[in-house]
Amino acid sequence: DAKTTQPPSMDCAEGRAANLPCNHSTISGNEYVYWYRQIHSQGPQYIIHGLKNNETNEMASLIITEDRKSSTLILPHATLRDTAVYYCIAQEGQYGNKLVFGAGTILRVKS
Amino acid sequence: ETGVTQSPTHLIKTRGQQVTLRCSSQSGHNTVSWYQQALGQGPQFIFQYYREEENGRGNFPPRFSGLQFPNYSSELNVNALELDDSALYLCASTFGGGVNTGELFFGEGSRLTVL
Repeated sequence: DAKTTQPPSMDCAEGRAANLPCNHSTISGNEYVYWYRQIHSQGPQYIIHGLKNNETNEMASLIITEDRKSSTLILPHATLRDTAVYYCIAQEGQYGNKLVFGAGTILRVKS
Repeated sequence: ETGVTQSPTHLIKTRGQQVTLRCSSQSGHNTVSWYQQALGQGPQFIFQYYREEENGRGNFPPRFSGLQFPNYSSELNVNALELDDSALYLCASTFGGGVNTGELFFGEGSRLTVL
């Protein structure tokens, strides 16, 4: 089972920041938080990941609370092309590449 | 595009048949994993191959099997197909095998329909 919980859907206005929350209250100390997204009819796309510190790349920022029980993915200026299912994942297993996907959050960016 | 290619993109089989799906990993990647995504659900991990050996498996029966070749490409084989095997099958590649490598590169998937 997925170790994360996310809202089923969110709306965001084009050009505004999209803030997608994720709860992972049972995450263990050596588990990373990953974010992927899946645009309709495509394979999932990696966005960002982190352990303790906040992370930023060209796509998004990841804010992880100090107790690591939750995190927020921030898309600073959402566009219509950011409409997708966003998955928050806590890494599991001995090998870092087994990702347990939940149902994710459907983000709809509207003009 | 990620450089991970899968074939075929779509196929239809009947219950009880066998199917082979193929995946070419991104250049330089030596690790391939397979996921099953049923309609409306998130992907589920099937197994991973590193250096031509399976080194991680999800909750799938033995009729799901795989291979990895010396060029790191991979096959997913499913025997005795059942209706519930209808899904999008995703291949993902990365480098490193047994360590946290962070980013997986997914292909576009093979959509299997079992009638």
